Amino acid sequence: QKEVEQNSGPLSVPEGAIASLNCTYSDRGSQSFFWYRQYSGKSPELIMSIYSNGDKEDGRFTAQLNKASQYVSLLIRDSQPSDSATYLCAVVSGQAGTALIFGKGTTLSVSS
Amino acid sequence: DGGITQSPKYLFRKEGQNVTLSCEQNLNHDAMYWYRQDPGQGLRLIYYSQIVNDFQKGDIAEGYSVSREKKESFPLTVTSAQKNPTAFYLCASSPRQGAGANVLTFGAGSRLTVL
Repeated sequence: QKEVEQNSGPLSVPEGAIASLNCTYSDRGSQSFFWYRQYSGKSPELIMSIYSNGDKEDGRFTAQLNKASQYVSLLIRDSQPSDSATYLCAVVSGQAGTALIFGKGTTLSVSS
Repeated sequence: DGGITQSPKYLFRKEGQNVTLSCEQNLNHDAMYWYRQDPGQGLRLIYYSQIVNDFQKGDIAEGYSVSREKKESFPLTVTSAQKNPTAFYLCASSPRQGAGANVLTFGAGSRLTVL
């Protein structure tokens, strides 16, 4: 069974620090990777997508992908209390069309 | 505005009853999905459909059923065979091809509680 693994946390960082969230996946054939943010009781919202090895930056967020190590990460610079949420890593499952397989999520808490 | 509408937002069910959760999208997306989320857990795939009149089982399809008679609609029925149906249910859609093929747009969710 294809799996996506994340450290459930909670990950606690002070305001202004860098938060680093990590994810590993088991399907070596996966080509598309996503980070979603989910506030308590709400639906997930897309933060970043990444398809090629290396780094992709969007504002305070940087996604990093290493297909050889089957590892994808999300860095949040200058963390704000509003970043406190659960971050879900998702990978496209080749066996399920365009469906995403999600990790269990990492809960981030940013203290002011 | 384009988006996904799920209803009802909250639903209470007695054991042994079937319930149907509605999901409607006006994004003109071909693909639609149902996920289940339990407290402290990620999303688990129940069913997905890439085209009208076709759908496939996900990882946890037992006790659920779906239909896809229209492009815009993908209702989920939680049957009495589902042993532990209390959960947060999320519907999503995406284009089937092109740059946004894997980018899911989610509805607001339906929270089902079995009494």
